[in-house]
Amino acid sequence: EAGVTQSPTHLIKTRGQQATLRCSPISGHTSVYWYQQALGLGLQFLLWYDEGEERNRGNFPPRFSGRQFPNYSSELNVNALELEDSALYLCASSRTPNYGYTFGSGTRLTVV
Amino acid sequence: AQSVAQPEDQVNVAEGNPLTVKCTYSVSGNPYLFWYVQYPNRGLQFLLKYITGDNLVKGSYGFEAEFNKSQTSFHLKKPSALVSDSALYFCAVRDGRGSTLGRLYFGRGTQLTVWP
Repeated sequence: EAGVTQSPTHLIKTRGQQATLRCSPISGHTSVYWYQQALGLGLQFLLWYDEGEERNRGNFPPRFSGRQFPNYSSELNVNALELEDSALYLCASSRTPNYGYTFGSGTRLTVV
Repeated sequence: AQSVAQPEDQVNVAEGNPLTVKCTYSVSGNPYLFWYVQYPNRGLQFLLKYITGDNLVKGSYGFEAEFNKSQTSFHLKKPSALVSDSALYFCAVRDGRGSTLGRLYFGRGTQLTVWP
């Protein structure tokens, strides 16, 4: 089966712009999670979507937002980009919240 | 509150020697515990999990982990390390209750280096 796919692989944006990151979960997985992995900060939880609804949100400002589509794919939007938003953004999916995650390879966002 | 501690930022071991990567956790309810591995510029790969049952869990690539409830630990082990095991290892915990349902809490990671 195909794994979790994320696009684009790399993204370079200018400070103040908006970035859109996309994630397709494994077929049959209804939960999608987003994490930020910034240098020296470990994995920071961003958002959890399940069955099209936002179920939980990490400690990030409102300019980080997203949605889940009827086919369970998901989009992460980051508005008003700041230099500190430069990081690897990881998407993961699971069949139900009781299972562990399967991660995608990530989108490397660089803000200049 | 849920949290994970990986007390060692780095672990160095010679090829062929046993390795241990340490993890301790804090969770309100019954812990669901996971180990992931990350190679450079890649996402995280699942190694193994403990949900319930036998305290010794066997996973991918010859890794295993031992759940110790009294010590709230879930150390990752391998009897004989390979150079190709060199990577960043993350321990994670989940509590199935309340508003954090589904969310995994990760440790800061341990960089494992296996030298020939």
